[in-house]
Amino acid sequence: DAGITQSPRYKITETGRQVTLMCHQTWSHSYMFWYRQDLGHGLRLIYYSAAADITDKGEVPDGYVVSRSKTENFPLTLESATRSQTSVYFCASRATSGPYEQYFGPGTRLTVT
Amino acid sequence: AQSVSQHNHHVILSEAASLELGCNYSYGGTVNLFWYVQYPGQHLQLLLKYFSGDPLVKGIKGFEAEFIKSKFSFNLRKPSVQWSDTAEYFCAVNINQAGTALIFGKGTTLSVSS
Repeated sequence: DAGITQSPRYKITETGRQVTLMCHQTWSHSYMFWYRQDLGHGLRLIYYSAAADITDKGEVPDGYVVSRSKTENFPLTLESATRSQTSVYFCASRATSGPYEQYFGPGTRLTVT
Repeated sequence: AQSVSQHNHHVILSEAASLELGCNYSYGGTVNLFWYVQYPGQHLQLLLKYFSGDPLVKGIKGFEAEFIKSKFSFNLRKPSVQWSDTAEYFCAVNINQAGTALIFGKGTTLSVSS
């Protein structure tokens, strides 16, 4: 039972580079989410997806791009990384109907130098 | 916009002390409420949840929370903390609409000394 996995777990990149963070879930959950966690801000929603090919912006979407061609995958791309995007990124998923409990992946710690 | 407030940023307790972490939300309609815990270096795990029914809900590891609708609160409690409870605790709200993501509080760091 793999659940929800993220890769890489740690990443260091330079300003201006494109970076893609991967998220994979084995539950066939319809909904998937990307959050970033920063000290003093808790978790903030970047993007979410209700199903394959359906995505929507969250609270802090600027500088990020998502896609969802398959139900089980929800990659997050930083098109041109900036230092302000240094953070820990969590992917989550949940089933279509209630309860609306979300299950979280282990996180990716991204450092932009 | 809906928001979640956690009153305590950092709580320091000795083992066996009682714990209460405050959480208030700002939404007048039906809500689903959650407490998540994040142990050092780990991902978020669900401690407990409230959807309907008995406002006193019990979760894992001896935690419980009480939903008080009139106060828009969902405080987390534990009668006797252990060193292993050292972690960050997040309160989260879902406003019971399909597709709506969780709104998180900023978290409370709990440090328990042995």
